[in-house]
Amino acid sequence: GDSVTQMEGPVTLSEEAFLTINCTYTATGYPSLFWYVQYPGEGLQLLLKATKADDKGSNKGFEATYRKETTSFHLEKGSVQVSDSAVYFCALAGGYQKVTFGTGTKLQVIP
Amino acid sequence: GAVVSQHPSWVICKSGTSVKIECRSLDFQATTMFWYRQFPKQSLMLMATSNEGSKATYEQGVEKDKFLINHASLTLSTLTVTSAHPEDSSFYICSAPRTGTGDRNEQFFGPGTRLTVL
Repeated sequence: GDSVTQMEGPVTLSEEAFLTINCTYTATGYPSLFWYVQYPGEGLQLLLKATKADDKGSNKGFEATYRKETTSFHLEKGSVQVSDSAVYFCALAGGYQKVTFGTGTKLQVIP
Repeated sequence: GAVVSQHPSWVICKSGTSVKIECRSLDFQATTMFWYRQFPKQSLMLMATSNEGSKATYEQGVEKDKFLINHASLTLSTLTVTSAHPEDSSFYICSAPRTGTGDRNEQFFGPGTRLTVL
């Protein structure tokens, strides 16, 4: 079945540091890939997405590129802010619109 | 963007009682909705797929008699936790895809419902 593996957290960075959260997936066919963010006490929000190989999703300074050859969708941001502190989930959606989530990575950015 | 609401946002109940959680799509119709469960510091686990006009489809290991799902209309799905026990305490989240968008796989998530069973 489909699965998503992302790096374990928590990740603690200083403000303006570079962020990478690794994500790899296993799926049949050609899934869509997503990064969701969950701020403390809130629900999931879509951060960015990519629907086919070599697509780059981007939003709020975050980027991730759909790499079919390495089955990866790593999340990056050049300069994190305290307000980026949250839990980030990598996810894929294949057939039947079902979404499979990674375990989540907690990011804490300190001033 | 599309909005999905859940009610209540949190609920505390006694062991043995039943609790109903509502999931509504506010500005679009959803023939399918999904129910997830999130344990502390863990990821979301898909529990079941709610289908308007037909029975829900449950994931392996989810007790359908304990977690009753009713897709009453094109904008409402309900999850009822029957005879709740402390181990049912969790964060329950629903989602709905909005058909007609460019990506049929994009889901819109509700804010979640925190259930605590005493």
